Parts: sequence; C-alpha cells; structure tokens
Amino acid sequence: EADIYQTPRYLVIGTGKKITLECSQTMGHDKMYWYQQDPGMELHLIHYSYGVNSTEKGDLSSESTVSRIRTEHFPLTLESARPSHTSQYLCASSEFGTPLEAFFGQGTRLTVV
Amino acid sequence: GNSVTQMEGPVTLSEEAFLTINCTYTATGYPSLFWYVQYPGEGLQLLLKATKADDKGSNKGFEATYRKETTSFHLEKGSVQVSDSAVYFCALGSGGYNKLIFGAGTRLAVHP
Repeated sequence: EADIYQTPRYLVIGTGKKITLECSQTMGHDKMYWYQQDPGMELHLIHYSYGVNSTEKGDLSSESTVSRIRTEHFPLTLESARPSHTSQYLCASSEFGTPLEAFFGQGTRLTVV
Repeated sequence: GNSVTQMEGPVTLSEEAFLTINCTYTATGYPSLFWYVQYPGEGLQLLLKATKADDKGSNKGFEATYRKETTSFHLEKGSVQVSDSAVYFCALGSGGYNKLIFGAGTRLAVHP
C-alpha cells in the first residue's frame, strides 16, 4: 500500500482564484513528480523534484509552480486559475536510481468555472 | 530519445477472454519496464515490472516479458474479469534519464 496522499480529491473553483494542491508522502522518497492527465488519458509531466530545494520544469509547460521545502511535501500552486487549468493532477514519488518505480496518489480533479 | 508506444484502445472483451495489450519502446541503455493500471477515479497503481532482458513480471494473473530483441513488453492475461476494466499504461524508466516515460494508455472494457 503506497503512502502518498493528495488533497483535495475534487475541487471546483472560480476563475482568478489562487489554489494549492497538496501532496504528501511518508516513504522518505527523494524524488517527487506532478503529472497532468488530460481527458484522453495521456500523462504529461509538469514538475519534478530531486529533493529539498530542488524543483524542475517537466516536459509540458505549465503556469503552475511547485515548492519543496520538506522531503515529504510537494505542493502545486496556481496563482490565478483559468478554465484551461481544468484537469486531473497526479502526484507521484520514487526513490533515487533504477528501476524508478513510482508510487502515485489518488489524484486531484480540478474544475475551474 | 526514450519513448513508449502502446496499442490504441479502447479494447472491449467479454469476460474470460484472452487479453493482449501491445507495448514497444525506444531507449538507450537498459531501461526498466513497467505496467501501471488506473481504475476509474483513481491514481495509477503499479501492476508489474521487469528490470532486465527476458525477465517476466507477473501479478494478479497479468504477465509481461521484457523482450530486448523486439523492444517489447506486451501485457497478457489468460482470462479477464469485469473488474479488470481500467486504463493500462506501459512505462519505461532509466536511471540516466531520471524520469518515467509513459505510453498514451489503453482503455480496457470487459463485459459480462
């Protein structure tokens, strides 16, 4: 059973609001990731981190930002939500090195109206 | 660069039918290969993995063999159940690349 948690599970919010999606893991993993999943199911890596104070942009450009000030916590923030941000956001973590098995949270489904 | 290609869905089967979902990859070096499953409304769960050529990963009746000569990692199950209905993702991971590369996902629907 993976110990990685995302809150909230569902969020409906108005345009222009600031939001933070929470992600926490209790496995002591150094690496953490945020994926955006579009309705066609494909996963797009938007942010990742190798450890505390490390954050990198992923393969898909995103207006969101992330921070990593504690190993277990990797929140994602949108300063001003727009309808184009409506999506499923998945957080994951893994240990360093191969085979890079990743553990996923249950996801946050964000709807911006 | 590294990439994963898996068969397009949806795949629709009757209960107890045989399942194959094709997955091929392009990678430098010797990546590890994974199949993840996503049930409706949930995150991804690791289904099985293989870390070197000719390894067979297996779990819950699903199997996949790491074939380096054909750069493939096809997922199979001998007799599917309605509860297997989900989206299946093939992925590769490489230490040198430091990220998992996912295929586009294949939706499986199993009918009674």
